[in-house]
Amino acid sequence: RKEVEQDPGPFNVPEGATVAFNCTYSNSASQSFFWYRQDCRKEPKLLMSVYSSGNEDGRFTAQLNRASQYISLLIRDSKLSDSATYLCVVNMYSSASKIIFGSGTRLSIRP
Amino acid sequence: DVKVTQSSRYLVKRTGEKVFLECVQDMDHENMFWYRQDPGLGLRLIYFSYDVKMKEKGDIPEGYSVSREKKERFSLILESASTNQTSMYLCASSFGQRTYSNQPQHFGDGTRLSIL
Repeated sequence: RKEVEQDPGPFNVPEGATVAFNCTYSNSASQSFFWYRQDCRKEPKLLMSVYSSGNEDGRFTAQLNRASQYISLLIRDSKLSDSATYLCVVNMYSSASKIIFGSGTRLSIRP
Repeated sequence: DVKVTQSSRYLVKRTGEKVFLECVQDMDHENMFWYRQDPGLGLRLIYFSYDVKMKEKGDIPEGYSVSREKKERFSLILESASTNQTSMYLCASSFGQRTYSNQPQHFGDGTRLSIL
């Protein structure tokens, strides 16, 4: 089993739709969690950290479920500019060398 | 804003050459990382450094070495470039204390390296 697993997609949704991705992790000792977005041929950029209590940033909501070992990202009122690959990142043991990147979920927003 | 700068966006080298990729960050981050990213394989850690002159091997260190003589600069060296090292190389940095870190990484623009 992979340490961090994401549905690769692609998710193809119309503009204005709500879309959600999940990411599961295998190690219960994982301490910190992040979502990054990566545009084609560009570097990953931090979208948001994921906190135990859940957190929201505009149209984006991230949640953590430690019992089931997954994190989620919800995008409301999706825009064409949200088209990208979304990477789930899990930091095990709070160790700089144990940061695991998911393979990413591709999202395509159509007009 | 954190700024991580990689020396080249695109680089073409020949098999057997020694290749240097440079990365500089301006946020006084302790941790710096080198990854490569290939289609279908995601991001793979090559080396990371948690302090000046300190380094640890990542998942795929073979064929690479690194140098960190100053806190803000982390160099990746391909000792004798081979065609299977053609890839996108990404440098990142983050706050940390020794190898401890729960802070997010910030990436440079990436270097697309082609080995002919």
